[in-house]
Amino acid sequence: QSALTQPASVSGSPGQSITISCTATSSDVGRYKFVSWYQQHPGKAPKLMIYDVSFRPSGVSNRFSGTRSGNTASLAISGLQAEDEADYYCSSYTSSSTLVIFGGGTKLTVL
Amino acid sequence: QAQLVESGGGVVQPGRSLRLSCAASGFSFSNYAIDWVRQAPGKGLEWVALISYDGSNKYYADSVKGRFTISRDNSKNTLYLQMDSLRAEDTAVYYCARDIGWQRQSDAFDIWGQGAMVNVFS
Repeated sequence: QSALTQPASVSGSPGQSITISCTATSSDVGRYKFVSWYQQHPGKAPKLMIYDVSFRPSGVSNRFSGTRSGNTASLAISGLQAEDEADYYCSSYTSSSTLVIFGGGTKLTVL
Repeated sequence: QAQLVESGGGVVQPGRSLRLSCAASGFSFSNYAIDWVRQAPGKGLEWVALISYDGSNKYYADSVKGRFTISRDNSKNTLYLQMDSLRAEDTAVYYCARDIGWQRQSDAFDIWGQGAMVNVFS
């Protein structure tokens, strides 16, 4: 069974850049083009920030970018702003019976 | 404006059933796969089920397989999740979410409902 591992927390100061990693225990992340990133503020529904590894949906700031190297996907946020403080989840489409898996989530704190 | 609105959540005893609905508006519902994703209190996201745009393909997480049934009525622009044999560990906010692509199945959900709380409590 695949799993996605994210750091529990990351932090940065306004204006700085940070990166959140998402590492797969199997080759699923590297096999498929489907890796997404979601932002979730407390009490709100998740918001899609990146899909297909590196594509931004319409309306998402270009301060957010996604990459992948082997079995690790990464979300980079540049020019940190206070409103970026949220939980971030990666996801991947898999070949297992559990079609979609999510990482455990990373809490981003803007200092 | 594309929108999903869940309904049907509530408090239910273990072993009982509940049906969630998800009403879609503002887009061509019959051309998009829709998923259910849940989030237990204070926990992360968990994918629950997917139904293809035409209802011909259905997939479930191992944790709900055999107990939950996903379905859709494209004539009513509505998605359903029938939840049977509910357990305490099914307690969560349940979101319906639209796949970003026309007639595609993936992990990219661009439209989410506001969520429906299901509390399995004895």
